[in-house]
Formats: sequence, structure tokens, C-alpha cells
Amino acid sequence: SQTIHQWPATLVQPVGSPLSLECTVEGTSNPNLYWYRQAAGRGLQLLFYSVGIGQISSEVPQNLSASRPQDRQFILSSKKLLLSDSGFYLCAWSRTYEQYFGPGTRLTVT
Amino acid sequence: QQPVQSPQAVILREGEDAVINCSSSKALYSVHWYRQKHGEAPVFLMILLKGGEQKGHEKISASFNEKKQQSSLYLTASQLSYSGTYFCGTGDGGNKLVFGAGTILRVKS
Repeated sequence: SQTIHQWPATLVQPVGSPLSLECTVEGTSNPNLYWYRQAAGRGLQLLFYSVGIGQISSEVPQNLSASRPQDRQFILSSKKLLLSDSGFYLCAWSRTYEQYFGPGTRLTVT
Repeated sequence: QQPVQSPQAVILREGEDAVINCSSSKALYSVHWYRQKHGEAPVFLMILLKGGEQKGHEKISASFNEKKQQSSLYLTASQLSYSGTYFCGTGDGGNKLVFGAGTILRVKS
């Protein structure tokens, strides 16, 4: 069966510091991968998605970037965090139409 | 275009029924339903595809009206475990989903 991992689970970072969140999927090959952000009490905002290694589509202009160095690895990065980057970051995968979410990373920028 | 969910919130007693609606202004190929409990990731409930059948999952079922670009999630004989925020995600057949703002469901004993 397929499993999706995200780490870290929680993170507190100061404004202006860098960020790296990692997501890995097991049990499938060539999945579509997604990064979403959820602000407190809000819905799910798609940030990036990838249909293959090195292929990244950005949905929202911001100070975040994504990379997919391996088939089942998806990384979300920032060079300098803003207060507005705080939120719950969710990685998801799909092979057909259903998307399955990882456990998420709760980021607080102070 | 973000789909519109209604109601924004609903409170039920155990055993009561609820309907959550999801409406889009765009032609849809798929509608996806998720439930999210506080502090946790959304959990996939079901998907409805254009031309497909109405789906069911235990006491939770859903319908998809392709012509009206609407979907409804039906929760019958609600249980305490049904509490959470329900999101619909809509797809046009491509790789992306657009999610609604969510419907908060609270089931009381």
C-alpha cells in the first residue's frame, strides 16, 4: 500500500530564516505530487504541483519554491520566511484522480 | 474559480441527517470530498466522476449533477465521529483540484 511522509511535523522559525520541508511517497511510482498551504481556519491553497522529476508548476507567486529531485520526493523551500508564511503545509500524491494527503507540517514564523 | 460550499457550518444531534452542497461556475469532470478533523490532514472520502454513478461509503453518500455543476454529500444517522470540516475539491480533468472553503460539521450527543 502507499504511504506518504512529511517532516518535520512542527517547525518554529524566525522571520528571514530559510525553510526546507520534505515529502516522500512509498509504494507507488511516478505519482503526481502537490504542496498545499492551509491558513488557520481556512481552506486549502494549492502552491505547487509536479507530474515528474524536475517538472514543477507554480500556482501562486510568492517567496516559496519547490523541487522534485527524485521520483517520490518533493521539497518545499524558502530563502527568507515571512510572517505570512505561517500555516499548515500539506503534501499530497495522486496516480489517477484521487489525491491523498500526508500528515502535514505546522509552520509558525515568529 | 473556487467552488462554493453550503452551509458554512451545521450542528446536529447524533442520529440526525445532514446535506452539504458544493457548487461550481465551471464545467466539472470530478468532485472530491474530504473530511478534516482539527489539527489533522484531510482524509479522502470519495470521488465522483462525470458520467459515473452515485457513490456511497457506509452512511455517507454523494451525488453529482453534471449539468448544474453541483455535488451534494449526504450524511445519514450522524455519529460523533462525523464531526469535522468537510471540503469539496473540483477538477476539470487535469491534474489540479480547487477546494471550497469548507463546511464545519459538529455532531452533539
